[in-house]
Amino acid sequence: EIVMTQSPATLSVSPGERATLSCRASQSVSSKLAWYQQKPGQAPRLLIYGASTRATGIPVRFSGGGSGTEFTLTISSLQSEDFAVYYCQQYNTRDPVTFGGGTKVEIK
Amino acid sequence: EVQLVESGGGLVKPGGSLRLSCEVSGFTFSDYTMNWVRQSPGKGLEWVSSISKSGTYIYYADSMKGRITISRDNAKNSVFLQMNSLRDEDTAVYYCARDVMLSFGGVTMLLDAFDMWGHGTMVTVSS
Repeated sequence: EIVMTQSPATLSVSPGERATLSCRASQSVSSKLAWYQQKPGQAPRLLIYGASTRATGIPVRFSGGGSGTEFTLTISSLQSEDFAVYYCQQYNTRDPVTFGGGTKVEIK
Repeated sequence: EVQLVESGGGLVKPGGSLRLSCEVSGFTFSDYTMNWVRQSPGKGLEWVSSISKSGTYIYYADSMKGRITISRDNAKNSVFLQMNSLRDEDTAVYYCARDVMLSFGGVTMLLDAFDMWGHGTMVTVSS
């Protein structure tokens, strides 16, 4: 099983600032990496797939990068609605797909 | 509008069974692999099971293998998760989710990332 490790666990950021979240895979997942945003009481929302492709309707302030084992999600200028928990997920290995433990982005 | 609506959750005693359902609308159900993902209270996301478009290919997480059965009825636009021998640690919100589909030049490809999710159904296993 591929283990996904996210850092930091919590990120405190002021509105308007840039946030960079990290995700590391225990072995290469090529570019088969997705990012999700989840707000309290809601289902996850797909932000990025293929490591860097924004899903439909996702604002351009969200960008993904990396390949192999190291990935980043960058939010260029945090808006109030962006404070949430973010998860990465690898889908290079179908059985099983695995998620990271999450990064909580909170207001500083 | 794409919709996925789960049902069937509830309170069950350890060792009990539940059958979850997910009824979808707004897209061609039979074109997509469907998945179940769960989230224990205050915890992260855990993939549970997947079933291919026609039901030919099925995958289960080791944590639930042997205790669950996924199935689908393409005529009823629904996917199901039969859960038996439930344990305290199976307490979670269970979401159904759709694979991402890419289309280019008349060719489609499914990715095992999940672009549409239901609201979830809560399963509580407790005596």
